[in-house]
Amino acid sequence: DSGVTQTPKHLITATGQRVTLRCSPRSGDLSVYWYQQSLDQGLQFLIQYYNGEERAKGNILERFSAQQFPDLHSELNLSSLELGDSALYFCASSAGTGDVGELFFGEGSRLTVL
Amino acid sequence: GQNIDQPTEMTATEGAIVQINCTYQTSGFNGLFWYQQHAGEAPTFLSYNVLDGLEEKGRFSSFLSRSKGYSYLLLKELQMKDSASYLCAVLDSNYQLIWGAGTKLIIKP
Repeated sequence: DSGVTQTPKHLITATGQRVTLRCSPRSGDLSVYWYQQSLDQGLQFLIQYYNGEERAKGNILERFSAQQFPDLHSELNLSSLELGDSALYFCASSAGTGDVGELFFGEGSRLTVL
Repeated sequence: GQNIDQPTEMTATEGAIVQINCTYQTSGFNGLFWYQQHAGEAPTFLSYNVLDGLEEKGRFSSFLSRSKGYSYLLLKELQMKDSASYLCAVLDSNYQLIWGAGTKLIIKP
């Protein structure tokens, strides 16, 4: 158990819909990262938050948005969903901004868009 | 641009030794990580190298040569449970993690 909690674990929805994925980082960790992993693909970095502020942005689509709340949990919002958005979405946390130290990953939220 | 190269897939035999290579070209370097990811599961941390040389941790060792932009992960006494993808990631000058696509390791009896 990494200490990072993601909900929901599985989600099935239709094209055009909107979903919200939630992540609670490990106790004390200030940084939250979101990754997308399509079937048999590598990890695609989406966005990072540090202590409530956006720290870095990767290949995140404009249809996607995220935020980190004062209690440090984070939400990833995916809208106008397309079939290609079907993937495993991982949240990870670390103590700092990621300068040193490992990332702790949650078990992921598997999104299926039909 | 920033680039990390790893072989896509490797096959090895139970009980043997396998070396997974990773070469990188990044803007700056603040360390290199190896993660293990079983299919459908979360990546888990294996090792971190920031200085040249070999770091040994049980059956797993990781080597780094900064001048060559090269690292390898060495797995000894392979077990069936080692079948997984192995991800190489480099921390660049902005302390952003750049990920390789991963190497799928298949262990045969």
